[in-house]
Amino acid sequence: NAGVTQTPKFRVLKTGQSMTLLCAQDMNHEYMYWYRQDPGMGLRLIHYSVGEGTTAKGEVPDGYNVSRLKKQNFLLGLESAAPSQTSVYFCASSYLSGVTGELFFGEGSRLTVL
Amino acid sequence: AQSVTQLDSQVPVFEEAPVELRCNYSSSVSVYLFWYVQYPNQGLQLLLKYLSGSTLVKGINGFEAEFNKSQTSFHLRKPSVHISDTAEYFCAVSGPRSSASKIIFGSGTRLSIRP
Repeated sequence: NAGVTQTPKFRVLKTGQSMTLLCAQDMNHEYMYWYRQDPGMGLRLIHYSVGEGTTAKGEVPDGYNVSRLKKQNFLLGLESAAPSQTSVYFCASSYLSGVTGELFFGEGSRLTVL
Repeated sequence: AQSVTQLDSQVPVFEEAPVELRCNYSSSVSVYLFWYVQYPNQGLQLLLKYLSGSTLVKGINGFEAEFNKSQTSFHLRKPSVHISDTAEYFCAVSGPRSSASKIIFGSGTRLSIRP
């Protein structure tokens, strides 16, 4: 019962470095999302996908790119990391639109940019 | 535009005492409302949701919430808390006309239980 799995769980980067966070779900969900969580700000949507091969921008997309080449995977990329991107990143998936369907979250990936 | 406000950033309570976590929303259209819980070092999981029907919604672990349209509130309650309820709780709002991207989360309320 893996559910939603995120890798890596922790990462430290220097300013300007690049990295990719991987999210994998085994529930055959159509919808997948990337959020960032910052103290006192709740969760903010970065990008989302409503199906394989499709992506869309969320509330805070700048500095991030995503890809959904396979239904079960949703990748979040940082091309040139900045200290403002220090955060905890959560991937989520849902069968229906998250509006009425339950969101299933991964355990998070803590990223520190020095 | 929709928004959600969680009035308390932290709520300390003693074990076996009742608790209420407050959530107010702003919306000009009908809403769907959610409470999610985040245990330490874990992702969020759904506690309960209101889509339509009865305004009193029961969730997992003995929690319940009441949708109050006139007060635009969706407060979360539990009559007797346990140490294991220590977590951060997030209220969220969306609506029938919202797209997949339009779930708005509150800033969270950290519930700490004292023995």
